[in-house]
Amino acid sequence: SQKIEQNSEALNIQEGKTATLTCNYTNYSPAYLQWYRQDPGRGPVFLLLIRENEKEKRKERLKVTFDTTLKQSLFHITASQPADSATYLCALDMSGGYQKVTFGTGTKLQVIP
Amino acid sequence: SQTIHQWPATLVQPVGSPLSLECTVEGTSNPNLYWYRQAAGRGLQLLFYSVGIGQISSEVPQNLSASRPQDRQFILSSKKLLLSDSGFYLCAWAPPGQGSAYGYTFGSGTRLTVV
Repeated sequence: SQKIEQNSEALNIQEGKTATLTCNYTNYSPAYLQWYRQDPGRGPVFLLLIRENEKEKRKERLKVTFDTTLKQSLFHITASQPADSATYLCALDMSGGYQKVTFGTGTKLQVIP
Repeated sequence: SQTIHQWPATLVQPVGSPLSLECTVEGTSNPNLYWYRQAAGRGLQLLFYSVGIGQISSEVPQNLSASRPQDRQFILSSKKLLLSDSGFYLCAWAPPGQGSAYGYTFGSGTRLTVV
């Protein structure tokens, strides 16, 4: 079956360091991969999308890489701040073009001052 | 600009009672609409999606149903709630025809507790 795995349930990191979150998927080759941020009690907020023909995408302190050979995406937050503390979700369309996105279970990031 | 509204924010309902959650989108036409559920400590599970009025696809068998009576209105319903229906319900929209090529925009969610 198709799976999306975010390897760490939780990640603690010191303020100012780079946080790196991992998203692995199996049995599919998605055209796009998305990353979201979710704060407690709130809906996810879309951060970045990377396409299969893009190796890397950046937005301010965020960087996403997409390795279709390894079936893996890495999400980096540079110069992390306590305000970056949240759960980060990766998401893929594994529906074969039916526009339905499947979400990973998320990684809870805690940035320690 | 586009906005998505979802209500109520919280709901406590007894087992066996009906449910109706509403979601509306403004500022766009013919959006793709989605209902997700997030159980405590779990990931988001897609329940229903719709690409047009009256077009509903169900992802998991359950006692919930969805309807899209108007272009930008999406309703989640149940005739009789179960304890297992408790969770955080999220509505989302995406541009028509390109759901996964753009990020989803989520509503603020409804926290449902079935007692």
